[in-house]
Amino acid sequence: TQLLEQSPQFLSIQEGENLTVYCNSSSVFSSLQWYRQEPGEGPVLLVTVVTGGEVKKLKRLTFQFGDARKDSSLHITAAQPGDTGLYLCAGSFISNTGKLIFGQGTTLQVKP
Amino acid sequence: DAGVIQSPRHEVTEMGQEVTLRCKPISGHDYLFWYRQTMMRGLELLIYFNNNVPIDDSGMPEDRFSAKMPNASFSTLKIQPSEPRDSAVYFCASSRASSNQPQHFGDGTRLSIL
Repeated sequence: TQLLEQSPQFLSIQEGENLTVYCNSSSVFSSLQWYRQEPGEGPVLLVTVVTGGEVKKLKRLTFQFGDARKDSSLHITAAQPGDTGLYLCAGSFISNTGKLIFGQGTTLQVKP
Repeated sequence: DAGVIQSPRHEVTEMGQEVTLRCKPISGHDYLFWYRQTMMRGLELLIYFNNNVPIDDSGMPEDRFSAKMPNASFSTLKIQPSEPRDSAVYFCASSRASSNQPQHFGDGTRLSIL
């Protein structure tokens, strides 16, 4: 069974601080996605990474895919209260099936 | 374009009753997924369809759960009989073919079994 371990589970920081969320697996991903979920809504895709070592930036968010495609990280610079939410990583272990395995999620609270 | 539409948004019922959750995927999407989200277990995949055909139902908890997709624009998830431990938020998502495509989620059905 493929599992994704996400850490930390909870994070409460002050506005302006930096943070990193990690997503790890013992299996190789064919691709990995990061989603953000707000209360009362479904998850919304932030980014997809496919190539080992790939780095993608989305404003203050930086996503990195490990060289071996077994891990990924999300780094937020100068966090804002609007970044508050649940961050989920989701891995595809078999290409072309559409099936994703989700991590447990990281609940981020950014206090003004 | 309309997103994934789920109904109802909230459902409260007594244990033993049949519960039917509904989903309309985004037009043109080949895949449809049903997930369950709880604090303890996170987001779990229950079943998914490709071109209306169930592909993987290994996440369905037990025989009380069943899902159908009679056509490309409609799917149901039924629980019969319902139990308190089924209380959760149930999400439907759809995507185009290929694992690199984003899954588009509905806003979920919050189910409470008393």
